[in-house]
Amino acid sequence: DTEVTQTPKHLVMGMTNKKSLKCEQHMGHRAMYWYKQKAKKPPELMFVYSYEKLSINESVPSRFSPECPNSSLLNLHLHALQPEDSALYLCASSQGRMYGDRGLSDTEAFFGQGTRLTVV
Amino acid sequence: GNSVTQMEGPVTLSEEAFLTINCTYTATGYPSLFWYVQYPGEGLQLLLKATKADDKGSNKGFEATYRKETTSFHLEKGSVQVSDSAVYFCALRYNFNKFYFGSGTKLNVKP
Repeated sequence: DTEVTQTPKHLVMGMTNKKSLKCEQHMGHRAMYWYKQKAKKPPELMFVYSYEKLSINESVPSRFSPECPNSSLLNLHLHALQPEDSALYLCASSQGRMYGDRGLSDTEAFFGQGTRLTVV
Repeated sequence: GNSVTQMEGPVTLSEEAFLTINCTYTATGYPSLFWYVQYPGEGLQLLLKATKADDKGSNKGFEATYRKETTSFHLEKGSVQVSDSAVYFCALRYNFNKFYFGSGTKLNVKP
């Protein structure tokens, strides 16, 4: 199983709503990521969890609140969002570093299909 | 610091044409390098990777060679198909740090 599953696929929410995005992987990866992607732009890193602890927060506004309940799950809680927060939100996971035939190297990230969020 | 620079798009080719998308990187050490592909409305899929200098990553007819001397990882395909139309992202990762993505190159392949 090499899948990262995100739910929901689409979400429309008002500026006063509270909603959550969910992400799940069963590959035993210990690093999980949230990215935000606007149209025609590369993914922008928001948060990184390493071994279920928040290790990177890219100065994301507090209206986005990540949570990692266990090693397979990652949530992104949304509250009081703005229309400019409308974007594709991508979850990803990866192993750390792996030993191969040439020593230690960094591994790839596996991405989910994303949640298309619209804030109205 | 770490960064990735990709050629500007869009790139428009006829079916069966040769494809090159340039990617160069700046890194403080010896990163792993990746090409991801994104089809409309979808997430990113790993296309190929190379973890050491002189490694060649390949998949589905696409190839890229990790060139340490020129800090490059150019993507090539000998004969593109309409189904290859997508956005391609070059990326690097170093020392279990975050991934650094290029700006993306949109490829349009016409029949």
